[in-house]
Amino acid sequence: EAQVTQNPRYLITVTGKKLTVTCSQNMNHEYMSWYRQDPGLGLRQIYYSMNVEVTDKGDVPEGYKVSRKEKRNFPLILESPSPNQTSLYFCASSLRRGVAGTYNEQFFGPGTRLTVL
Amino acid sequence: GNSVTQMEGPVTLSEEAFLTINCTYTATGYPSLFWYVQYPGEGLQLLLKATKADDKGSNKGFEATYRKETTSFHLEKGSVQVSDSAVYFCALRNSQAGTALIFGKGTTLSVSS
Repeated sequence: EAQVTQNPRYLITVTGKKLTVTCSQNMNHEYMSWYRQDPGLGLRQIYYSMNVEVTDKGDVPEGYKVSRKEKRNFPLILESPSPNQTSLYFCASSLRRGVAGTYNEQFFGPGTRLTVL
Repeated sequence: GNSVTQMEGPVTLSEEAFLTINCTYTATGYPSLFWYVQYPGEGLQLLLKATKADDKGSNKGFEATYRKETTSFHLEKGSVQVSDSAVYFCALRNSQAGTALIFGKGTTLSVSS
């Protein structure tokens, strides 16, 4: 089954304790991305990757790191989490480019609900 | 810049009522447009999409038409069901957004029997 998986699904942690949220896709997609979803703000992009070893900042990258060593995996790293990073996080993937310059839909993982105390 | 504006709701309807959720966008070039749905406690699922002007996306009884002249992509369904209760997000994607999906803030739909 084609899917994007994330782990863990739920995480409660304390300020300053490094954590990693994993993301993996089995669709051979070049493009992967992380979003956070907050009430009243909708979804905002944190980081994205156009392909292996190619990553770039989205709209809200502060406090986050990513890496793309393999095509299928795109982990999100919080080196020193703070309470303002409490949020619902989604990983997504897609093919890079659609037909004739159009843009493909992104496939989303189930989400990771993170609480930083 | 790129942005998406949609009615925030909540929208409360009775079963079999007609649904419209308005969505307008601002974007340079020719974005692709999407509607995603988020059921309670779940991730986002693609509901439908349209990639060029006048295209109509449709799925599960929902429809939306890409109107470049009014920069709109309104979501409609002729007869909603209780199982349609969810949050609906309008989104666009184009090269100038770095290929990110730019989302509206979401519209909560609640359907009662």
